[in-house]
Formats: sequence, C-alpha cells, structure tokens
Amino acid sequence: DTEVTQTPKHLVMGMTNKKSLKCEQHMGHRAMYWYKQKAKKPPELMFVYSYEKLSINESVPSRFSPECPNSSLLNLHLHALQPEDSALYLCASSQETADSGNTIYFGEGSWLTVV
Amino acid sequence: GEDVEQSLFLSVREGDSSVINCTYTDSSSTYLYWYKQEPGAGLQLLTYIFSNMDMKQDQRLTVLLNKKDKHLSLRIADTQTGDSAIYFCAESSRDDKIIFGKGTRLHILP
Repeated sequence: DTEVTQTPKHLVMGMTNKKSLKCEQHMGHRAMYWYKQKAKKPPELMFVYSYEKLSINESVPSRFSPECPNSSLLNLHLHALQPEDSALYLCASSQETADSGNTIYFGEGSWLTVV
Repeated sequence: GEDVEQSLFLSVREGDSSVINCTYTDSSSTYLYWYKQEPGAGLQLLTYIFSNMDMKQDQRLTVLLNKKDKHLSLRIADTQTGDSAIYFCAESSRDDKIIFGKGTRLHILP
C-alpha cells in the first residue's frame, strides 16, 4: 500500500474563513510534506516534517499553519487566505527525508479556491 | 543552486516510443525521479533511479542516467493514449528537498 490520502478533494473558502486540509498515510513513513502547485507549474515545497517535528518551512506566510498530530497525520490549517492562494495542495510522505534516499509518495491533492 | 530543466512539450504518435529528457545540476543527488500527473490529479511516482545506476527498466519504462553529463531520460515504449500527461523530472537535494523540473506535457497523436 503506497497510499497517501488527502481530504477534502475540493475546498472553496472565503478570505475570512478558517479551514483545514488533512493528510493521512499508513505506510510507517516518518517524513511528511506539504507542497503547493499552481496551474501548469511544478509543485513548490512548503513544509517538511521529520519524526513529527517541523524541519523545513520554506518561508511560507503565517496564514498557512502546519500541524503533525502523530506520525500518520499531517494537517494544514488555513486562515485569512488570499485569492492568489488558490492552488492544488499536495501532501507527500517518505520513509525518511529526501536526502536519505527514499522515494516520496504523493496524495491526489486538495483543490483549494479562495473567493 | 539546484535546478532541473526539461522541455515543456512532446508530441508522439500512438504506438511509437516517447523519450522525455531532463538535465539537473546537483551532482550530489542521491535519487532521481519521474512523476506523472494526469489532468486534475496528484503526482504519481512512475519510477526512480539511484545515482550510482546507469539504467533502470520497468515494463514499458526505461530510465537512462548519464551522471557525467547530469542527464536523465525517460523512455516510454509503445506509447498509449493513457500516457498523455505531464511528466516531472525531479532530484533529491542534500537539504531534504525534492527539486522538480517544470514538467513535460506529453501529447499523443492518433
């Protein structure tokens, strides 16, 4: 099983809303990632969690707040987003972090539209 | 800094072989990857190759790595309409990141 599950698949939110994206994996992976992908662009790294601790924050605005409640779950809390934050948000996981030579598996993504 | 380059478009006739090329800059990359993204979907890991390998074959897919030239290619034999997608080349970097190319859109001609 190489599945990374993301919910919801689609989310429309207003600029004053608070919402969360959820990601789950049961592969025993210890590294989890959030990526943002705009149309016709490659994914851009946002956050990396390694052993449930935040190891990389790619200077992401504070209106995006990641959380790793346990080794299987990764959340992305959204608050006061802007229309330009509309994108596909991809969660990924790997056995260890990328430099340790482990393949990264992606979920299907959550399509976010900010209105 | 690290960079991954690939051509943006490729058109191939159904049944022919597709070859998607990629160049990268980080010679310390441990792994190099090919991901497939169909419209409206997430990224599917197609295949990957260790940096100490020259070639990897998996059914219709053949990955060739020229480490000296930092060149990676993906060959898809007997290309089918279901292969129509964007293919991302990616490399692992020393600081726990995956660096993606801009993606090659593969278009299949009937």
